[in-house]
Amino acid sequence: KNEVEQSPQNLTAQEGEFITINCSYSVGISALHWLQQHPGGGIVSLFMLSSGKKKHGRLIATINIQEKHSSLHITASHPRDSAVYICAVRSLGQGAQKLVFGQGTRLTINP
Amino acid sequence: NAGVMQNPRHLVRRRGQEARLRCSPMKGHSHVYWYRQLPEEGLKFMVYLQKENIIDESGMPKERFSAEFPKEGPSILRIQQVVRGDSAAYFCASSPPGQYIVGTDTQYFGPGTRLTVL
Repeated sequence: KNEVEQSPQNLTAQEGEFITINCSYSVGISALHWLQQHPGGGIVSLFMLSSGKKKHGRLIATINIQEKHSSLHITASHPRDSAVYICAVRSLGQGAQKLVFGQGTRLTINP
Repeated sequence: NAGVMQNPRHLVRRRGQEARLRCSPMKGHSHVYWYRQLPEEGLKFMVYLQKENIIDESGMPKERFSAEFPKEGPSILRIQQVVRGDSAAYFCASSPPGQYIVGTDTQYFGPGTRLTVL
């Protein structure tokens, strides 16, 4: 079992829909990152969370440390949001500087 | 402030040749991370370096792969005697030094180098 599991693996939705992508992890962490990988391959860091909730534009990320779970929400989705969304965690202790990644969620927003 | 730069963006090598991938971190960043993304797979950590030091290389294959981050110049990921299985996208990320709690800094990713081994 991977240390970081994302669901769903693939998600197709219509423009305007509210999107939720989930991430569960099995280790103690110091921080969780949400990344976006565009079709061209470039990676952008969206959020870094260690507790609570963060919002940036139409994107909202939440984390529940006790339940070892995080969600990424997109409100009023748009075709330009189509990308792979990747959850990554920094574990506690030895090796704390490296990120451990989920497999990614491929999001397609149709007009 | 330019972002993380990687070059080349695309690299084609024949089996047995050497591949050298370069990463210039963001200005003021002294921490560099290398990640590999194999086709249809997720990203995997390879190595974490600070200037002139390898801090964590637990994700590096034991043979043929090496990394450095000299005092001057870019970080280099070197793959000797490449094989077809080395074909992947190699991403570099950087983060700033100093006043943050270990493990909570944001990493800024470069555009990646896509290595194809023929």
